[in-house]
Amino acid sequence: AQSVDQPDAHVTLSEGASLELRCSYSYSAAPYLFWYVQYPGQSLQFLLKYITGDTVVKGTKGFEAEFRKSNSSFNLKKSPAHWSDSAKYFCALGASSFSKLVFGQGTSLSVVP
Amino acid sequence: NAGVIQTPRHKVTGKGQEATLWCEPISGHSAVFWYRQTIVQGLEFLTYFRNQAPIDDSGMPKERFSAQMPNQSHSTLKIQSTQPQDSAVYLCASSFGTGGSSYEQYFGPGTRLTVL
Repeated sequence: AQSVDQPDAHVTLSEGASLELRCSYSYSAAPYLFWYVQYPGQSLQFLLKYITGDTVVKGTKGFEAEFRKSNSSFNLKKSPAHWSDSAKYFCALGASSFSKLVFGQGTSLSVVP
Repeated sequence: NAGVIQTPRHKVTGKGQEATLWCEPISGHSAVFWYRQTIVQGLEFLTYFRNQAPIDDSGMPKERFSAQMPNQSHSTLKIQSTQPQDSAVYLCASSFGTGGSSYEQYFGPGTRLTVL
């Protein structure tokens, strides 16, 4: 069975600070990992993915994530954070190239001036 | 590229009525996925098609939900005898992967279904 955990329901930080949103997963085989962002009233937008290879992957909007097999994590990072980064972020796990995504519960990020 | 198109954007039905939701995937994408999003349950997978064939419907409530993909340009999700607990945002996503390049799913704007 696959599962994704985003332990922080809400994160608030100051503009200019570094952000790191946590994601851990449970899956017995090699994971396909994704981050999506959802702005209020909008749908999900793809940020970045890890499939294989380099464990630090870069995506859109200045975000990057690091895959750590040792502790089954795929944390999202950005520095510095901007107020426009305020949104809900979802980590997702797929079992293969064409498979359903299992999502975490999401982390609501507020970046305050 | 218009992205994934979903219609209608909002639908209100009475309890017991039928609802049909439409999805047009990105042209050239070979896989279409349906999810629903609620505050309580979060994002839940429903079903998906690849090259129009149903592949995995493990998330579909069996009795009242059905999905089809009659051609490569659209998919439908039909809910019969809608119940208040079916109220959610239904999201369609598409992806393509020609064997190695892209696996991410691109999501449409969603259909907000409200069952009164």
